Amino acid sequence: ETGVTQSPTHLIKTRGQQVTLRCSSQSGHNTVSWYQQALGQGPQFIFQYYREEENGRGNFPPRFSGLQFPNYSSELNVNALELDDSALYLCASSFDNTGRETQYFGPGTRLLVL
Amino acid sequence: GDSVTQMEGPVTLSEEAFLTINCTYTATGYPSLFWYVQYPGEGLQLLLKATKADDKGSNKGFEATYRKETTSFHLEKGSVQVSDSAVYFCALSDWETGGFKTIFGAGTRLFVKA
Repeated sequence: ETGVTQSPTHLIKTRGQQVTLRCSSQSGHNTVSWYQQALGQGPQFIFQYYREEENGRGNFPPRFSGLQFPNYSSELNVNALELDDSALYLCASSFDNTGRETQYFGPGTRLLVL
Repeated sequence: GDSVTQMEGPVTLSEEAFLTINCTYTATGYPSLFWYVQYPGEGLQLLLKATKADDKGSNKGFEATYRKETTSFHLEKGSVQVSDSAVYFCALSDWETGGFKTIFGAGTRLFVKA
């Protein structure tokens, strides 16, 4: 069974640029959530996708957007990068979107915005 | 909106000491509650969970009981080991108006001395 994978592992961008982060869900999982984790903080919920539809969103501006594909892999896109977007971005997959199932986390993508 | 508050760290204990990490929450619905752990150099992983009131989650000697009357989900272990040194996150998943959310606490770092 393959776990959750994310790419790239590290990324450096400049302010104003756009970035796309990728995630492959664990086999058999149809739900994916994305989180932003600043250093020394807990993960902040960005959004969740279930069967290619967004079904929940945290307090993030519209420049944070996502996609989930038919094979349940997903992308997080961030436009007009700001310095405060520097963080570890985590994706997590789960068996369903009820909220009762365990979320399995990937290792994260560390983004630095200069 | 929903929120999670957990005790600030770091918490430093000697091996075999009793551990309690407090976690309280506010929620509009009927959330599921989780404890996730992040060991040094590793990703987030589920430690235990409880999906309804009075449920007790347990794993690796850790326990937590979902207390709706006190809106709490405190983590306990009777005898900690050096290998328990990690950051512990309390989290809830809930359906609110507008969709699904997962909320994490800020994390509590535990150091266990031999």
